[in-house]
Amino acid sequence: NAGVTQTPKFRVLKTGQSMTLLCAQDMNHEYMYWYRQDPGMGLRLIHYSVGEGTTAKGEVPDGYNVSRLKKQNFLLGLESAAPSQTSVYFCASSYPGLKSDTQYFGPGTRLTVL
Amino acid sequence: DAKTTQPPSMDCAEGRAANLPCNHSTISGNEYVYWYRQIHSQGPQYIIHGLKNNETNEMASLIITEDRKSSTLILPHATLRDTAVYYCIGPTTGTASKLTFGTGTRLQVTL
Repeated sequence: NAGVTQTPKFRVLKTGQSMTLLCAQDMNHEYMYWYRQDPGMGLRLIHYSVGEGTTAKGEVPDGYNVSRLKKQNFLLGLESAAPSQTSVYFCASSYPGLKSDTQYFGPGTRLTVL
Repeated sequence: DAKTTQPPSMDCAEGRAANLPCNHSTISGNEYVYWYRQIHSQGPQYIIHGLKNNETNEMASLIITEDRKSSTLILPHATLRDTAVYYCIGPTTGTASKLTFGTGTRLQVTL
C-alpha cells in the first residue's frame, strides 16, 4: 500500500493564480483532511470530509475549496492564490472506529506564492 | 475541545529514556489523548493514544494520571532518529476527529 500520497510535492505560484492539490489514499478510509502548517507552527485544519460527496469547514477555510468526488481522493483548490497561503499543506485520512480515529498523513506539498 | 500544554523543547542522551510531559486539564471524560511526532518537515506520524489506562506499543509507552489531567510519553531508549517535534493532542468529539495541533515539544536526542 502507498498509504497517503500528495501531488505535487512542490509548487511556486504568482499572486492571483489558481491551482489544485491532489490527495489520494488507498486504505479505503472514510475520513480525509487538509491541514496547513506555517513555519514554527502546528498544523491547522482547513477542510475535511467524512465521506464521498461530503465536505466541511475546518479552522481556516477561507480562500480554499475542496471536493471529494471519489472516496479515495480529496482535492484542495486555491482559486486566487495570495502570499498568505504560502505554507506546507498536509493531507490525512482515517477510518473512524469505536475507540479511536488515528489519522495517517501524506508527505506534504510545499507551496510558495510570490 | 481539550487544550494541551507542552514544554517547547527537551534534550535527551541517546540510549536514555525520553519522558515528554503534557498537561490536558480540560479534557473530557470520553476524549482520548493522542501523540504524534513530526520528523523534520515530514508528515506527522501517529505514535500512541489512550483514554484512562496506560498504554504501550512498539514505539512508546503512555502514562495517563488517574485524574486524566496530564500524561507522559515515554520513549524507552531514545535514538538520534527520535529527534522530532512531539505533539500531544486532545481531540474534539463529534463527527470527525479533528486533531488540534499546538506547537509541541521539540526533542533533541544527542550523542
